[in-house]
Amino acid sequence: AQSVAQPEDQVNVAEGNPLTVKCTYSVSGNPYLFWYVQYPNRGLQFLLKYITGDNLVKGSYGFEAEFNKSQTSFHLKKPSALVSDSALYFCAVRDRDNFNKFYFGSGTKLNVKP
Amino acid sequence: DGGITQSPKYLFRKEGQNVTLSCEQNLNHDAMYWYRQDPGQGLRLIYYSQIVNDFQKGDIAEGYSVSREKKESFPLTVTSAQKNPTAFYLCASSRQAMKAFFGQGTRLTVV
Repeated sequence: AQSVAQPEDQVNVAEGNPLTVKCTYSVSGNPYLFWYVQYPNRGLQFLLKYITGDNLVKGSYGFEAEFNKSQTSFHLKKPSALVSDSALYFCAVRDRDNFNKFYFGSGTKLNVKP
Repeated sequence: DGGITQSPKYLFRKEGQNVTLSCEQNLNHDAMYWYRQDPGQGLRLIYYSQIVNDFQKGDIAEGYSVSREKKESFPLTVTSAQKNPTAFYLCASSRQAMKAFFGQGTRLTVV
């Protein structure tokens, strides 16, 4: 079965410091991986995706993520956090072999302190 | 302006009542999805549809029903069989191998 794990419920970081939000996955075949962000009482907004090619993908708002096949990880990173980055972040994997279903992690709440 | 629209934003249901949540997209996407989000939990898949007139149960389909009579529309009915329906419901759509686009959600509360 496909699955996505986000081991941290919450990540706290000071403004200006680098941030990392962790994600590991379990999927058969080559994965399609995504990161989404959610603000309170809103839908999810797409940040970035990995389909194939370069392991480092860049996305919206200065975020990037590194695909590591050997560690089955897809951690989200940003060199310098902003207070406005505070939100709920979801990692997702798309199962191409099973009706293209999306599987989401449990979410990580990012708190950026001024 | 292309996108995916959910309505209403807030919905209140009485005990034993069926309610229907609307989801419409004008993105020409084949696939559509319904997710449920509870506080402190991730998104759980209720139903999904790859093409018109076809849909499959997700991980928590009990107490819910859907239809896909048009490509643009994928309404979700929360039936009286769903014993704990209070949650935030999210609809999404996508093309093959592409990202999912999400609506702004419907918050359902049992009163």
